[in-house]
Amino acid sequence: DTAVSQTPKYLVTQMGNDKSIKCEQNLGHDTMYWYKQDSKKFLKIMFSYNNKELIINETVPNRFSPKSPDKAHLNLHINSLELGDSAVYFCASSQDTRGGGANVLTFGAGSRLTVL
Amino acid sequence: GQNIDQPTEMTATEGAIVQINCTYQTSGFNGLFWYQQHAGEAPTFLSYNVLDGLEEKGRFSSFLSRSKGYSYLLLKELQMKDSASYLCAVMDSNYQLIWGAGTKLIIKP
Repeated sequence: DTAVSQTPKYLVTQMGNDKSIKCEQNLGHDTMYWYKQDSKKFLKIMFSYNNKELIINETVPNRFSPKSPDKAHLNLHINSLELGDSAVYFCASSQDTRGGGANVLTFGAGSRLTVL
Repeated sequence: GQNIDQPTEMTATEGAIVQINCTYQTSGFNGLFWYQQHAGEAPTFLSYNVLDGLEEKGRFSSFLSRSKGYSYLLLKELQMKDSASYLCAVMDSNYQLIWGAGTKLIIKP
């Protein structure tokens, strides 16, 4: 019954590898997000999709590529992993992108990525 | 630039009251959110303010003054489980969320 689920929860990999994180929401929300939380606990928006369309694409390396096959799924693929990519990646969803209560975020449990 | 300021860390005693402040400078304002994040877990929504004044929800209340660019989260009757980080986030005129770095609240018995 998990509202926003992301897998895997933990990911340990070597520099230079390619990895993916999957996210699914069963809330019927229109908007999904990827956030990065580094060791200083600062949440940074990476991408936002509304009904499968990209609406926010912050300044992240193009090694990061999101894909939204439908509005319930938003996956994150990372190429050529670097040490600085080590962080916790949170998927989130909201009912919409505007107007107060419609923008309340429901987060997934997070995926802790460690690059060695 | 856009900026959210909140204290890095606060300590309080079980059963007491604590106030966590948040000041912001953003291009426009479409609401302020407070989230709670326990260590190793996801942030969870606590409160939303868009008009000036106090919103009360059980032991937690949130206050907003738009003219001062200021909000606070008030936690009453503190319990050990309230030990967590509290994140302030403001929605700007483009409906983008600007996040503070969070306040780590430590509750002592």
